[in-house]
Amino acid sequence: NAGVMQNPRHLVRRRGQEARLRCSPMKGHSHVYWYRQLPEEGLKFMVYLQKENIIDESGMPKERFSAEFPKEGPSILRIQQVVRGDSAAYFCASSPQGSAGVDNIQYFGAGTRLSVL
Amino acid sequence: QQQVKQSPQSLIVQKGGISIINCAYENTAFDYFPWYQQFPGKGPALLIAIRPDVSEKKEGRFTISFNKSAKQFSLHIMDSQPGDSATYFCAASRGGYSTLTFGKGTMLLVSP
Repeated sequence: NAGVMQNPRHLVRRRGQEARLRCSPMKGHSHVYWYRQLPEEGLKFMVYLQKENIIDESGMPKERFSAEFPKEGPSILRIQQVVRGDSAAYFCASSPQGSAGVDNIQYFGAGTRLSVL
Repeated sequence: QQQVKQSPQSLIVQKGGISIINCAYENTAFDYFPWYQQFPGKGPALLIAIRPDVSEKKEGRFTISFNKSAKQFSLHIMDSQPGDSATYFCAASRGGYSTLTFGKGTMLLVSP
């Protein structure tokens, strides 16, 4: 049973370009979460999605960032017109249900490390 | 506003010693407290988790102690090993919600 798959693992973009980060959840999981990790910081929640729906995007900047989880295919986190401050590790997690708990563990992918030049 | 405060930022423990990492939270609605372990270049992996209806949970060498009145919880790693060297994050979630609020992490180094 494959875990949460994220690609690419490393992504280099110049300022002003677009970054697309992909996340395939674990088999049987329909809930996906995106977190951002800055150096020497904990993970910060960005957005929570179910298939075709954004459930909570309270942690995602309102400009330049968007996320989707289509009926078919991986979840995509899209950052338009990247700036140097977007450089970070972006982690995706998935769970089988929508309420965090001992019976609903969030499993994390290995992350995408975005570097903006 | 940092809802989960974690300390220390870094910790060096000798092999065989006890590693202790502490977290404090502010939101009394939190009702699920997991600890995650992260190795360099990897994603966080769940280590152990607790709900506030118990004061302690032990799994192998790892124990969570929970103090609801003080709004604090801690991770104890007994007989620490060099392979335990990693960054540890505490987190919290409130009932019915999915998102996790993380502490800033503790970098643990276990010296041989």
